[in-house]
Order: sequence, then C-alpha cells, then structure tokens
Amino acid sequence: DAGVIQSPRHEVTEMGQEVTLRCKPISGHDYLFWYRQTMMRGLELLIYFNNNVPIDDSGMPEDRFSAKMPNASFSTLKIQPSEPRDSAVYFCASSWDGSTDTQYFGPGTRLTVL
Amino acid sequence: QKEVEQNSGPLSVPEGAIASLNCTYSDRGSQSFFWYRQYSGKSPELIMFIYSNGDKEDGRFTAQLNKASQYVSLLIRDSQPSDSATYLCAVMGRGAQKLVFGQGTRLTINP
Repeated sequence: DAGVIQSPRHEVTEMGQEVTLRCKPISGHDYLFWYRQTMMRGLELLIYFNNNVPIDDSGMPEDRFSAKMPNASFSTLKIQPSEPRDSAVYFCASSWDGSTDTQYFGPGTRLTVL
Repeated sequence: QKEVEQNSGPLSVPEGAIASLNCTYSDRGSQSFFWYRQYSGKSPELIMFIYSNGDKEDGRFTAQLNKASQYVSLLIRDSQPSDSATYLCAVMGRGAQKLVFGQGTRLTINP
C-alpha cells in the first residue's frame, strides 16, 4: 500500500493568496483527519471525516479554512485568504473503522505564507 | 490546563540506558492512549497503543497506563541513537476518533 499521499510537499505563497492542500487516504480507510503542527501549538486536529462526511470541524481556526471530501479517495483543505500565521506543517491522516484506532499520517505539507 | 501534558525536554539519555517518557491527561473518560514517534522533518508514526491499566510490552518499548492517576508512560530499554526523536503522547475519548496530542518530549540518546 502506498500510504497516505499529500500534495504539494512544500508550498510558499504570499499573504492573501488561496492555498489548496490535497490528500489521498489509504484505500479502504473510513476516517480522514487534517492536522496542523506548529512549534507554539503542537499538533492540532482541524477537522475529520467519516465516510466522506465531516464529523467534527471544531478545530478549524476560522472561516478562512474549509475542507471537503468529495469521494473516499480525495480530500482538500483550502485556506482563503492565507495569512502569515497560517504557516505550519499540515498533516493528513487516515484510519480504518474497526481497527485499533491507529491513525496513519501522510508526509505533510510545509506551508509558508510570506 | 492542557488536555494532554508532556515534559517538552530535551531529555538526554546515554546509549544503552532506559529512557522514561511521561504524559498526563485531564479527561477521565479517555479510553485509548497512543505513543507516536516523530523524527525531525518527518510525520508522526505510531509505536505503541494501550487501552487497559498496566503494562504493555513490544520489543524494547513498554507502555504503562494508570487511569486512576491519569498517567501514561513509555519506557525505552537499551536506548539507541536511532531512538533520538520527539515522542508524542495522544489520547482518545470514548466513542470518538478524535486524538488529542501533547506537545511532545524531545529525546536525545547520547552515544
């Protein structure tokens, strides 16, 4: 299995631009999670989906952030407009309902907003 | 109070010794407990999970859980330089898939 796939791996953009991060979960996994990691706040859950339906988006910092999962093999996290404080590593993870709740993380997208 | 607390370190341990990493959590309803290892610039990878009070061993790793004290620990025996990483404690509540992570403890194994 290829594991969780994220793209791009690095993104540098200017303040005010739209940013779209992409994730392909492990095939057969029912849950998909978006996390953000910074030195100050650590690893925080932003939103998670079960069977393509958003279950908990309480971690989404503000309306500038949105996430979608149009099908079982693809999800996006969009930031519009981006701000320098959004600079972080964004991880996508997936897990399988009925397993030991193990979440498998993708390689992450390092976002820098200038 | 943070939901999951860890000593940020750095924790420095000589090669071959036992490294002890600790974590406390605030939600008494928490059911599942995980230790992830994260190398610099890489993503977290699961190394242990534990659900029941007591010890769980896997190779050189032992996870310990004390729900009454709301305390989880990870012991690494015969520490190797390759164990140098940040160790993240994560907790999951009952009936939820939501993981809450601690800030992580940076561990350095000195040859």
